[in-house]
Amino acid sequence: QQQVKQSPQSLIVQKGGISIINCAYENTAFDYFPWYQQFPGKGPALLIAIRPDVSEKKEGRFTISFNKSAKQFSLHIMDSQPGDSATYFCAASSQAGNSGYALNFGKGTSLLVTP
Amino acid sequence: EPEVTQTPSHQVTQMGQEVILRCVPISNHLYFYWYRQILGQKVEFLVSFYNNEISEKSEIFDDQFSVERPDGSNFTLKIRSTKLEDSAMYFCASRWLENTEAFFGQGTRLTVV
Repeated sequence: QQQVKQSPQSLIVQKGGISIINCAYENTAFDYFPWYQQFPGKGPALLIAIRPDVSEKKEGRFTISFNKSAKQFSLHIMDSQPGDSATYFCAASSQAGNSGYALNFGKGTSLLVTP
Repeated sequence: EPEVTQTPSHQVTQMGQEVILRCVPISNHLYFYWYRQILGQKVEFLVSFYNNEISEKSEIFDDQFSVERPDGSNFTLKIRSTKLEDSAMYFCASRWLENTEAFFGQGTRLTVV
């Protein structure tokens, strides 16, 4: 069972546009929702994260919107730049049991920002 | 800036051979993880390790896999008898506390031939 569903699989946005990536989760025990950015040949790097006690978090051009009742969260990249071209993964984790906050990743979104 | 380091960056091994992937987590971190990413697919959790023992493992982490923290700085993943389907990028990650940022290493690309 896929615990975190991510869409779209790929996205092409013009420079200066807004990139929007969506994720949905099933497990109501999840209480930490990070977004990771991955460039080819590199490990995932944390971009921004949110906890369910807030509905939105903004860091620079990156914003997470969180809807607890719908079990959905999304990443918005404002003023998208060619340097933002990468694969983006949403993830979710919980402290339940002995999980050790293991991350459950979505399948990823390949973002291409065209000049 | 502290970082998670992994060695080797690329390992080619014959099917049936044992491999050990090595990681040096960030020094004051307490939680350690291995993940893998088959080419073009999502990152999958393998195992978490805390207080010198496995705290959780996925169904991928079968008896062919083992982890060890032999000397307080290294964290290793051993695959006892590699299969073709073990070919993937393996990422080590660490975090200070369970609800803080997880830092990932650059990965080891394992190719089983």
